[in-house]
Amino acid sequence: DADVTQTPRNRITKTGKRIMLECSQTKGHDRMYWYRQDPGLGLQLIYYSFDVKDINKGEISDGYSVSRQAQAKFSLSLESAIPNQTALYFCATSAQTGGRKNNEQFFGPGTRLTVL
Amino acid sequence: GNSVTQMEGPVTLSEEAFLTINCTYTATGYPSLFWYVQYPGEGLQLLLKATKADDKGSNKGFEATYRKETTSFHLEKGSVQVSDSAVYFCALSGGQGAQKLVFGQGTRLTINP
Repeated sequence: DADVTQTPRNRITKTGKRIMLECSQTKGHDRMYWYRQDPGLGLQLIYYSFDVKDINKGEISDGYSVSRQAQAKFSLSLESAIPNQTALYFCATSAQTGGRKNNEQFFGPGTRLTVL
Repeated sequence: GNSVTQMEGPVTLSEEAFLTINCTYTATGYPSLFWYVQYPGEGLQLLLKATKADDKGSNKGFEATYRKETTSFHLEKGSVQVSDSAVYFCALSGGQGAQKLVFGQGTRLTINP
């Protein structure tokens, strides 16, 4: 059973289209994240949310928006997709802890997005 | 700010060879350190972690020791297998504020039979 699921797994779209990537989790975690992975660059944080009413920009939020519809759901939108947003996108979750010592994040399987 | 630098890849080894993937970090305070692994077509999975200086994380034959004096967290395995072929990411979290992970760029490892 997948604890963190992402839909769709693959998507091809055209420049200028609006795209939404969805993430759901059954881990009961408060904290959710969206990352982008490009070859040779590791993962870069786009947005993160520590609870339903909390949304924060990450390193590369320009051109993206997010919505935390419920504790278990966190969606990423590209309002007007462009080719350099072609990448692998990952959602992740983590539990709220009293300190900073155990920020293990659990990742979804990823969405491969291609913008033509 | 916090940053992680990993050994550049790709790395190609023969089965049963000894593996080291270097990772150094820059951080304020006392971060927690992680190694994640990404198998082909999958998301990232936590491989091991260490939360304080001199801690050793270990899993599946992999080990890494949190060295504060050298700001390093090198990943090692004594005898690699073909099934270890994957991309490995070093990451840290810590300091003030949000529990965000900062990742290195990843090292692609290929093990040949």
